[in-house]
Amino acid sequence: DQQVKQNSPSLSVQEGRISILNCDYTNSMFDYFLWYKKYPAEGPTFLISISSIKDKNEDGRFTVFLNKSAKHLSLHIVPSQPGDSAVYFCAASAGGNNDMRFGAGTRLTVKP
Amino acid sequence: DVKVTQSSRYLVKRTGEKVFLECVQDMDHENMFWYRQDPGLGLRLIYFSYDVKMKEKGDIPEGYSVSREKKERFSLILESASTNQTSMYLCASSPYIIRDPGMNTEAFFGQGTRLTVV
Repeated sequence: DQQVKQNSPSLSVQEGRISILNCDYTNSMFDYFLWYKKYPAEGPTFLISISSIKDKNEDGRFTVFLNKSAKHLSLHIVPSQPGDSAVYFCAASAGGNNDMRFGAGTRLTVKP
Repeated sequence: DVKVTQSSRYLVKRTGEKVFLECVQDMDHENMFWYRQDPGLGLRLIYFSYDVKMKEKGDIPEGYSVSREKKERFSLILESASTNQTSMYLCASSPYIIRDPGMNTEAFFGQGTRLTVV
């Protein structure tokens, strides 16, 4: 059973608008969360992360929000650009461990 | 820049063959990981290693083994390849850090190996 869930396989938005990608987790021991971006035929690349001691982390156009009580996090991209079109994976790690668990991914398409 | 290199981009193997997937990282990272990526399932952790000669099972270790004889190299072995092991295989590495609550670091991925078992 997957501990990290991304329930939307795909999302399409217009260039310049906001993209919101969602992620839910079941393991209450997770305390560090990451978002990765993946283009076809390439490995995932790190985008942004958030610690469980925070509820928001911002880096340029990318903001991640964490709601621990709901076991939910989201990635906001504002404004969205066509180059943001990729598959986005949510990941989480727990306790003293460095290994991560990933969600199924959401394919984002940003239309010009 | 961290570089994680997987020896092959594409592999085609026959059912029953023993398959070796090699991964090398050049940043002296302690941690190394093997994942497989399948549509609708995302990345699933097969095995990981925190140090030379150490290995830990991930979520789907069945049918796989690993070897870490040197710090920079982590090999994934399919003992007897089967068609359900056709997948994209991704290697990653990360530095060891003392994990205070809520602290960690990101892992760096290789470009992936697309394995087809026929």
